[in-house]
Amino acid sequence: GAVVSQHPSRVICKSGTSVKIECRSLDFQATTMFWYRQFPKKSLMLMATSNEGSKATYEQGVEKDKFLINHASLTLSTLTVTSAHPEDSSFYICSAFTSGSTDTQYFGPGTRLTVL
Amino acid sequence: GENVEQHPSTLSVQEGDSAVIKCTYSDSASNYFPWYKQELGKRPQLIIDIRSNVGEKKDQRIAVTLNKTAKHFSLHITETQPEDSAVYFCAASMGNFNKFYFGSGTKLNVKP
Repeated sequence: GAVVSQHPSRVICKSGTSVKIECRSLDFQATTMFWYRQFPKKSLMLMATSNEGSKATYEQGVEKDKFLINHASLTLSTLTVTSAHPEDSSFYICSAFTSGSTDTQYFGPGTRLTVL
Repeated sequence: GENVEQHPSTLSVQEGDSAVIKCTYSDSASNYFPWYKQELGKRPQLIIDIRSNVGEKKDQRIAVTLNKTAKHFSLHITETQPEDSAVYFCAASMGNFNKFYFGSGTKLNVKP
């Protein structure tokens, strides 16, 4: 099946610093990737839709200047949390579509961000 | 936008019993409804999905039903096993690379 990786899996940073999270589709090309945020014992909250070669589309209430998304190639999308604060601490998950399916998305393993 | 509601939030069953999780959606344009299983600390995994042109789909012990008129769909797990214990999420999408909206999740506990 399709494999999606994320790096890093876990990161701890100081308040005010920026953190970059990478999402890669390892064995397929992903025209579209999604970024989600998941709070403890809560559902997945869609943050933005990332399309290769174009600007990301952000969901209402998500600050685009705070969460910078770049989809540089068909296999890589990055999420940068700028000037991180403790309230940004969360589990961030990306997902990607395979080129052969227009419906099924495959999730990355997630990144646990802790901002001190 | 789409709004997906999921019930119950927690469900505890005895091994061998059946479990049913229900979801409703608001946007009649949604036509693809996947179910995901998420074990603690792991990524969500697709376990079954259904498209709006089908009323029911079955895969071994797992089945999903869809009622388009009422805008609700359900996950049925029969002969539950302890390894079925996890959080289950329903989702709705308009398909074709469109975004997904997730339910709030159901924590299923199967007691041996």
